[in-house]
Amino acid sequence: DAGVTQSPTHLIKTRGQQVTLRCSPKSGHDTVSWYQQALGQGPQFIFQYYEEEERQRGNFPDRFSGHQFPNYSSELNVNALLLGDSALYLCASSLARTGTYNSPLHFGNGTRLTVT
Amino acid sequence: GESVGLHLPTLSVQEGDNSIINCAYSNSASDYFIWYKQESGKGPQFIIDIRSNMDKRQGQRVTVLLNKTVKHLSLQIAATQPGDSAVYFCAESPVFSGGYNKLIFGAGTRLAVHP
Repeated sequence: DAGVTQSPTHLIKTRGQQVTLRCSPKSGHDTVSWYQQALGQGPQFIFQYYEEEERQRGNFPDRFSGHQFPNYSSELNVNALLLGDSALYLCASSLARTGTYNSPLHFGNGTRLTVT
Repeated sequence: GESVGLHLPTLSVQEGDNSIINCAYSNSASDYFIWYKQESGKGPQFIIDIRSNMDKRQGQRVTVLLNKTVKHLSLQIAATQPGDSAVYFCAESPVFSGGYNKLIFGAGTRLAVHP
């Protein structure tokens, strides 16, 4: 049973460039969330995708955008990169439920983005 | 604003001892709490979760305690092993609605297990 997979594992970009990160959810999951984790800090919620639509967004600028495909995989795009965008970008998947119990998020190992 | 914090940034224990990692949360509207373990170079790994209608939940060698009166969460690890060495995060989630699952993480506590 494959867990959450992310690619690439590491990436180096220059200020002003654009980057696309990819994520495949855990088998059976239909919801993908993206988090940014700065060094020495806890992950911060960027946004969540379900049924190919963004349905929740954290406090991140419009330079951060995403997409979810029919097979539930997802991409995170960041435009006009800033030095401060250097971080570990984590993808997490879960199963949407109509009940009252949360489905635990399962995280991938992340993409380490360095902006120079 | 919303925040999830931890009392101790670093915890050192001897192998075989029990470990207790504490966490304070500030959003009284949160109804779901979760602990993650993160090893170097890896993503957070789910340990155990608890809903706000529970005070205690046990897993394999781990127990989570929730005190809603003082907005406190703790993770107890029994017979701590070297493999338990990692950073531990608590996280909270606002009231569940339609499958949403936005987590608010704290800064983490590093657990160092010494032989």
